Amino acid sequence: DTAVSQTPKYLVTQMGNDKSIKCEQNLGHDTMYWYKQDSKKFLKIMFSYNNKELIINETVPNRFSPKSPDKAHLNLHINSLELGDSAVYFCASSRGTANSPLHFGNGTRLTVT
Amino acid sequence: GDSVTQMEGPVTLSEEAFLTINCTYTATGYPSLFWYVQYPGEGLQLLLKATKADDKGSNKGFEATYRKETTSFHLEKGSVQVSDSAVYFCALTLNSGYSTLTFGKGTMLLVSP
Repeated sequence: DTAVSQTPKYLVTQMGNDKSIKCEQNLGHDTMYWYKQDSKKFLKIMFSYNNKELIINETVPNRFSPKSPDKAHLNLHINSLELGDSAVYFCASSRGTANSPLHFGNGTRLTVT
Repeated sequence: GDSVTQMEGPVTLSEEAFLTINCTYTATGYPSLFWYVQYPGEGLQLLLKATKADDKGSNKGFEATYRKETTSFHLEKGSVQVSDSAVYFCALTLNSGYSTLTFGKGTMLLVSP
């Protein structure tokens, strides 16, 4: 019944590794997002997809590559992980129209050692 | 660019105290305004929203009024409970295009018995 689900919940890995985070929504929304939350709780948009098309790509290193196989899924792949990538990554979805609230997953806490 | 400014926390209150968390915004055009709440270890949940000037959003005893003249959207609750302890985020989205949220930095609320 979970509306927006992310896996894994926790991810601990070493510098230089490549990892992926998966996200799925069952709300029938057209738009999905990735947000990054740093240690001070600040939230910043990374990417947004609408119907599998990339519509927002903020200033994010190209080591981060989102992929949307269909409009219910938005995965995030990260290459050559760095210490500074440690954060909580949130997936979200919305109907995509103006004023539509976002529905968030519970986050993936990534720790790079 | 668009931005949201919230009062810094933590805000520490005793149970049944009155709560105000200040939020002001800067936006090109007329945004919709939101309050989200993040409980420990969870994702963000929509608490309330207002889409035009003078609208009042309310939910679970929380209220906020969209004040265009002061560009503010302060969150209030008459009597807080321990279970209200969480991080509160003020956010905006523009009323055109895709609904990407711009968040404030969050305000932690700690309520003691």
